[in-house]
Amino acid sequence: KAGVTQTPRYLIKTRGQQVTLSCSPISGHRSVSWYQQTPGQGLQFLFEYFSETQRNKGNFPGRFSGRQFSNSRSEMNVSTLELGDSALYLCASSAGDRGVETQYFGPGTRLLVL
Amino acid sequence: AQKITQTQPGMFVQEKEAVTLDCTYDTSDPSYGLFWYKQPSSGEMIFLIYQGSYDQQNATEGRYSLNFQKARKSANLVISASQLGDSAMYFCAMRDKQTGANNLFFGTGTRLTVIP
Repeated sequence: KAGVTQTPRYLIKTRGQQVTLSCSPISGHRSVSWYQQTPGQGLQFLFEYFSETQRNKGNFPGRFSGRQFSNSRSEMNVSTLELGDSALYLCASSAGDRGVETQYFGPGTRLLVL
Repeated sequence: AQKITQTQPGMFVQEKEAVTLDCTYDTSDPSYGLFWYKQPSSGEMIFLIYQGSYDQQNATEGRYSLNFQKARKSANLVISASQLGDSAMYFCAMRDKQTGANNLFFGTGTRLTVIP
């Protein structure tokens, strides 16, 4: 099976702009979770989508949003970018309906906000 | 309190030797899962091994094994016969009912360097 894919891999934006990141899960997986990784805060959970519904949400401002499509592909959007949003954004997929599951991660999108 | 604590920011190991990476956790939930991931410089998080709180035996996956001591709330990763390609960041993570479905809480990581 193909792994989790994320596009784009690298992105440079300026403050105030918005950005959309995309994640395609492993075939058959219905859960997609998003994480932000920064040197200062480490890995932090953003949100999880399962069957097109947000099932869980981390402690991030409303500028961070996401959605999931019927084919389980997910997008996350960050509006009004701030310098502190520079990070590696990782998405992970799992089946979503089997209790404690292993999440498989994509290669990440490196976002730099100037 | 931190849910996951990794006290070793960096570790060095000689090639072909074994190394233990420490991880302690904190949860009041009797049902939880513990994970170890490897993150090379490329950034991708690679799943290594999983231990469930009710598992009777320590998990093993090839050269990786998990030294699970439930009473001490520790879940140390043991890598045997280290290889140069093992040089990477290693993260311990936990999921419990408080964190919710498919929400992993990660430790700060340990950077492992394998010396030829």
